[in-house]
Amino acid sequence: AQRVTQPEKLLSVFKGAPVELKCNYSYSGSPELFWYVQYSRQRLQLLLRHISRESIKGFTADLNKGETSFHLKKPFAQEEDSAMYYCALRNTGFQKLVFGTGTRLLVSP
Amino acid sequence: IAGITQAPTSQILAAGRRMTLRCTQDMRHNAMYWYRQDLGLGLRLIHYSNTAGTTGKGEVPDGYSVSRANTDDFPLTLASAVPSQTSVYFCASSDSGSGTDTQYFGPGTRLTVL
Repeated sequence: AQRVTQPEKLLSVFKGAPVELKCNYSYSGSPELFWYVQYSRQRLQLLLRHISRESIKGFTADLNKGETSFHLKKPFAQEEDSAMYYCALRNTGFQKLVFGTGTRLLVSP
Repeated sequence: IAGITQAPTSQILAAGRRMTLRCTQDMRHNAMYWYRQDLGLGLRLIHYSNTAGTTGKGEVPDGYSVSRANTDDFPLTLASAVPSQTSVYFCASSDSGSGTDTQYFGPGTRLTVL
């Protein structure tokens, strides 16, 4: 069964500190992994996807198949990064996403 | 272009009442989804539709029904609401033909069942 685990409900850091939001998954095939973000009073939106290997708003995430992880990282957190972050997994060839329970990131000045 | 819209924005409903949450997209996406968002549980898929005329059950379908009569609309119906259906409901859509499969979300409907 597919499963996405985000072990931290809340991650609180100071501005300028490094951030790592953890995501582990269980899936027997070749999954596609995503990070979605929900800023206060805004819609959930895609932040980045592992196949793009891109950096968005300073965030990066590397798919580690050996550790079945897709942790989201940013070297220097900003206050505007405060939001709810969801890791999600998709079956290759299917459109449905399986979401983790989410991690709220709070960046304090 | 509005993207994806949901109505109502919020609703308080008596238990046992019937309620339909509306979702409309103008992006001509083939796939649409309904999720519920609950604290500590994240987003859970209720129902989905890969294309007009077809629907499928997600992770938590009980107590909910959907229809997809056309590409743009994907209403979610609670036949007889119960307090455990108090949640924030999000509709989303995606286009498998675009090659990106990004899901685009609506603003959500906050439903309270008393």
